[in-house]
Amino acid sequence: SQTIHQWPATLVQPVGSPLSLECTVEGTSNPNLYWYRQAAGRGLQLLFYSVGIGQISSEVPQNLSASRPQDRQFILSSKKLLLSDSGFYLCAWSVQQGGGYTFGSGTRLTVV
Amino acid sequence: QKEVEQNSGPLSVPEGAIASLNCTYSDRGSQSFFWYRQYSGKSPELIMSIYSNGDKEDGRFTAQLNKASQYVSLLIRDSQPSDSATYLCAVNPRWGSYIPTFGRGTSLIVHP
Repeated sequence: SQTIHQWPATLVQPVGSPLSLECTVEGTSNPNLYWYRQAAGRGLQLLFYSVGIGQISSEVPQNLSASRPQDRQFILSSKKLLLSDSGFYLCAWSVQQGGGYTFGSGTRLTVV
Repeated sequence: QKEVEQNSGPLSVPEGAIASLNCTYSDRGSQSFFWYRQYSGKSPELIMSIYSNGDKEDGRFTAQLNKASQYVSLLIRDSQPSDSATYLCAVNPRWGSYIPTFGRGTSLIVHP
């Protein structure tokens, strides 16, 4: 069966510090991968998605970036965090043809 | 702009009652429809998907789709306190599209 791992679960980082969140998927090949952010009391905001290794589409231009160095690995990064980057970051995968998402357990990021 | 609308709630129902959650969407060409359950502080979990007009039942959950009227509903029979969560509606605009539009969710409270 397919599983998705996301870590860390919680993170407190100072303003201006770097960020790296990692997500890996097991049990499937060539998944579509996604990064979402959910701010407190708000909806899901799509940040990046990827349909293959090295292929990244950005939905929201900001100080975040994403990379997909391997088929089942998706990384969200920032060189300098802002207070507004605080939120609940969710990685998800789906099959290539679409369909529903399977979300990771999420990372709650607080920038202080 | 494609929109998915949900009443934010909270919808409060007594234990054992039927909870009815509704979602409307603006893109008439939409083809795939999903319901996610999100417990407080947790990531969303896919609970139902529906692609054709009519009803789809899975245990205590029934999804209803009416493309002519552009709405999709989720019925939860014999509601339990453990069903208390936020329910997110998601709509894929066309076959093969893997980027859904999410509603902001309806908060459901099932009280004993």
